[in-house]
Amino acid sequence: DADVTQTPRNRITKTGKRIMLECSQTKGHDRMYWYRQDPGLGLRLIYYSFDVKDINKGEISDGYSVSRQAQAKFSLSLESAIPNQTALYFCATSDWETQYFGPGTRLLVL
Amino acid sequence: AQSVTQPDIHITVSEGASLELRCNYSYGATPYLFWYVQSPGQGLQLLLKYFSGDTLVQGIKGFEAEFKRSQSSFNLRKPSVHWSDAAEYFCAVGTSGGSYIPTFGRGTSLIVHP
Repeated sequence: DADVTQTPRNRITKTGKRIMLECSQTKGHDRMYWYRQDPGLGLRLIYYSFDVKDINKGEISDGYSVSRQAQAKFSLSLESAIPNQTALYFCATSDWETQYFGPGTRLLVL
Repeated sequence: AQSVTQPDIHITVSEGASLELRCNYSYGATPYLFWYVQSPGQGLQLLLKYFSGDTLVQGIKGFEAEFKRSQSSFNLRKPSVHWSDAAEYFCAVGTSGGSYIPTFGRGTSLIVHP
């Protein structure tokens, strides 16, 4: 089984809808991250969490929120989706220096 | 703050040819350096990493990278490319102290011709 799983893998939604992307990990790591990937822009950090009680904004947090329900679970929400949030979203975990990525969620906002 | 530059957006090589992907970083102290590969439709997989010690690092799939402090570079190499190496490659730099949040380059897309 994969160490980092993301659900759903693909999602189409409409402008203004609320959507949640979920991430689970079995690596036992305290640190978890959400990134978005856009062509030509690489990976940009949305939010990160160093433990269950710690949530921090990344470089592009506007329009997003997160919830760390447990050490193993970290969810990303788009409260009111807009078309420029169409992207590939990755969850990652890390022990300290090295990150491990999930397979990604491809989101299309119409 | 640290930064990473991957100067080449696309690289095209013939199968069997050698490969070098460039990565330059900016960071005041000794960085942690990584190369990740993203195959089409997949997540990012760690190829190799450098923290300290030997500046020539061996990774998976026959890749290696060399840390050159004087040039602020961490270029990825492979002596003979296979068609399955076609993918997006990302270089990343992390800080050696404090909160660890890596910064990623924009990626280099590798195209392999038969």
